[in-house]
Amino acid sequence: DIQMTQSPSSLSASVGDRVTITCRASQSINSYLNWYQQKPGKAPQLLIYAASSLQNGVPSRFSGSGSGTDFTLTISSLQREDFATYYCQQSYSTLWTFGLGTKVEIK
Amino acid sequence: QVQLQESGPGLVKPSQTLSLTCTVSGGSVNSGSYYWSWIRHPAGKGLEWIGRIYTRGNSNYNPSLKSRVTISLDTSKNQISLKLTSVTAADTAVYYCARTPGSQYYDYMDVWGEGTTVTVSS
Repeated sequence: DIQMTQSPSSLSASVGDRVTITCRASQSINSYLNWYQQKPGKAPQLLIYAASSLQNGVPSRFSGSGSGTDFTLTISSLQREDFATYYCQQSYSTLWTFGLGTKVEIK
Repeated sequence: QVQLQESGPGLVKPSQTLSLTCTVSGGSVNSGSYYWSWIRHPAGKGLEWIGRIYTRGNSNYNPSLKSRVTISLDTSKNQISLKLTSVTAADTAVYYCARTPGSQYYDYMDVWGEGTTVTVSS
């Protein structure tokens, strides 16, 4: 299995802050990396696919970068509606796996 | 706008079979342009991909569940079904179905159902 390691597991930030979440794969996954946002009681929502492509309708303050084993999700200016848990997911192998998530909380 | 809706019993007894359906509206499960997955989320834990099914009927499963899981399509009802046998408390989770565009070079789940909670308890 490809293990996905996210860091940090949680963070506190203020509205307007720049936030960076990292995801590391246990082996190279090229750019087969997706990011999802999940709010309490809701389904995950796709933000970024193929490491850096912004899903239709997702605000441009979200961006993704990286390839191989190291990836980053950046929120350029955190908004109140961005407080949520973020998951990375690899689709390189037949068995898809997720990171354990990063909870973004209000400072 | 395609929508997915999971449904099924909210409570299943240990050792029994968990059966869920995902009803697709605004699109066809038989469209060759997409394929369909089930994912679950135990409380306090991470997301776990269960398996996927293609419109040709072939499927892939998470090896950790492969001996117990079956995913199938019912094109007459426009549904995707999930069956998980011999359940234990460890199978308690929110279960989601999701769609993946099959025509893209990269795979991702772009539409999700709202999820359904399943508790395994006697």
